[in-house]
Amino acid sequence: EAGVVQSPRYKIIEKKQPVAFWCNPISGHNTLYWYLQNLGQGPELLIRYENEEAVDDSQLPKDRFSAERLKGVDSTLKIQPAELGDSAVYLCASSRSRGDEQYFGPGTRLTVT
Amino acid sequence: GDSVTQMEGPVTLSEEAFLTINCTYTATGYPSLFWYVQYPGEGLQLLLKATKADDKGSNKGFEATYRKETTSFHLEKGSVQVSDSAVYFCALSDRNTGNQFYFGTGTSLTVIP
Repeated sequence: EAGVVQSPRYKIIEKKQPVAFWCNPISGHNTLYWYLQNLGQGPELLIRYENEEAVDDSQLPKDRFSAERLKGVDSTLKIQPAELGDSAVYLCASSRSRGDEQYFGPGTRLTVT
Repeated sequence: GDSVTQMEGPVTLSEEAFLTINCTYTATGYPSLFWYVQYPGEGLQLLLKATKADDKGSNKGFEATYRKETTSFHLEKGSVQVSDSAVYFCALSDRNTGNQFYFGTGTSLTVIP
């Protein structure tokens, strides 16, 4: 079975520019997660989807971050405008249902200059 | 609130040495416990899990036992290899908090020949 797919793998942008990340979860996985991982730290949840509904977005900085999961499959995370402090790895994960083991994509490494 | 505490790294071992990475947790209920591994430039991969007290998770020579009395889930391997060099994350999922995942900060392991 194919794993979680993310693109792009790397992105370098200037501050104040917009950026978008895409995630395709494992087929049949209803729950999708976006995490932020800073260097030397564990993943921190940004948003969790149950099918197409965002059920936990309390850690998402809504002034500049947005996300969507159309038709309960693929998801896109957007930052507009990006700030220097947004430089990090953005991980997408999916699971069959809430609480089950999560399967992670390779992540997108964002560098904001 | 729920949390996971891991021993700080980095850890450097010689090949064939015994590995222990300590992990303790705080949870309101009876969580499921996980160990994830992250190789350089990749996303997190599930290494092993345990869903109830006294369960032992094992995979690829690694094992960890869910100890409710000491709220611990220490990772062990009897003989490490150079290929085990990675960052290891302990995590929990607690049904009492909506099955949200909590990750530790990670422990970096380097195995030298």
